[in-house]
Amino acid sequence: AQSVTQLGSHVSVSEGALVLLRCNYSSSVPPYLFWYVQYPNQGLQLLLKYTSAATLVKGINGFEAEFKKSETSFHLTKPSAHMSDAAEYFCAVKNYGGSQGNLIFGKGTKLSVKP
Amino acid sequence: DAGITQSPRHKVTETGTPVTLRCHQTENHRYMYWYRQDPGHGLRLIHYSYGVKDTDKGEVSDGYSVSRSKTEDFLLTLESATSSQTSVYFCAITSGPADSYTFGSGTRLTVV
Repeated sequence: AQSVTQLGSHVSVSEGALVLLRCNYSSSVPPYLFWYVQYPNQGLQLLLKYTSAATLVKGINGFEAEFKKSETSFHLTKPSAHMSDAAEYFCAVKNYGGSQGNLIFGKGTKLSVKP
Repeated sequence: DAGITQSPRHKVTETGTPVTLRCHQTENHRYMYWYRQDPGHGLRLIHYSYGVKDTDKGEVSDGYSVSRSKTEDFLLTLESATSSQTSVYFCAITSGPADSYTFGSGTRLTVV
């Protein structure tokens, strides 16, 4: 069965600093991987997805993620944090195990951005 | 914006009462999902549907039932609400298993 682990429930960076949010997955088949962002009191919004094409995936708002099969990782990065990036971020993997492809989510990482 | 709406947005109910949450979509997507979100747990799948009258259980389905009599509507019912069901509930839709989800804005349910 597929699973996702997000390292660090809270990450704090200064404005202008690199953002790195870590995600490791477990999957017995080539995975489909996703990053979503949730702003306070809102639903989740897709940032980017990996579906076995290019290993470096670019998303919205300057975020990107690199699929590394050897490390079973799909870390999310942004070169320069902005105050508006403060939100909770969720990594997710598609479940192929008979659940019609539903997403399995990590527990989330809350990003704080300091001025 | 994406054609998915949840109602109500907020609800307070008493322990032991039945509660129904509604998810309505205008995208004609086949797949619909109900998740609950709790601090420290991320999102956990309650039930999902892969077509009219086709539903199945997710990871945390105990105490919940669903119905889908039309493509556009997916109802989640708490048969007898308990305090442990206090949560934020999200509906999501997708056109196919390889596609990303579109989420509703959520329903904040408080059981007192």
